[in-house]
Amino acid sequence: EAGVAQSPRYKIIEKRQSVAFWCNPISGHATLYWYQQILGQGPKLLIQFQNNGVVDDSQLPKDRFSAERLKGVDSTLKIQPAKLEDSAVYLCASSMEYEQYFGPGTRLTVT
Amino acid sequence: GDSVTQMEGPVTLSEEAFLTINCTYTATGYPSLFWYVQYPGEGLQLLLKATKADDKGSNKGFEATYRKETTSFHLEKGSVQVSDSAVYFCALSGIAGRRALTFGSGTRLQVQP
Repeated sequence: EAGVAQSPRYKIIEKRQSVAFWCNPISGHATLYWYQQILGQGPKLLIQFQNNGVVDDSQLPKDRFSAERLKGVDSTLKIQPAKLEDSAVYLCASSMEYEQYFGPGTRLTVT
Repeated sequence: GDSVTQMEGPVTLSEEAFLTINCTYTATGYPSLFWYVQYPGEGLQLLLKATKADDKGSNKGFEATYRKETTSFHLEKGSVQVSDSAVYFCALSGIAGRRALTFGSGTRLQVQP
């Protein structure tokens, strides 16, 4: 069974630039999550989708972050404009029930 | 809101030593509890889970028991190996259909030969 795929794996941008991350969940998993993991901390939920609907985006900084999940499969997370404090690993996870499967993450460095 | 507190690291042990990593939580209702592990250069992997009080999760020699009375889910292993060196995260999944995970800050384990 293929795991959760994410791309790119690494991205370096300057502040005020925009960036987008892509996630392809495990086939058949209805729930998709985006987490932000700052160095030395645990992952923090940004947004949760159930199929193509948003379940929870209460911790998403909506002035600069946006996410979509078209057709209930792939998802894209965008940051525009990026700030220095957005430097982190962005993790995508998917689940069918309680167990979440994580992708390898995208490491973002904002300079 | 929900929160997870785990002991700070790094925890440095010699091979075959006994491991305990403490984890306590605050949540409304009856959350599910998890331990995730992140090996160097790899993604987060589920290590074990417990979905109700007094359940014991176990995997690869690791164990943790869901203690509702002390709101704890401590991770233990009787004899660690060098290959267990990783960062361990305690997490909970809330109730009422919200299954997003709330993570602790992680504990780095270093096992020396």
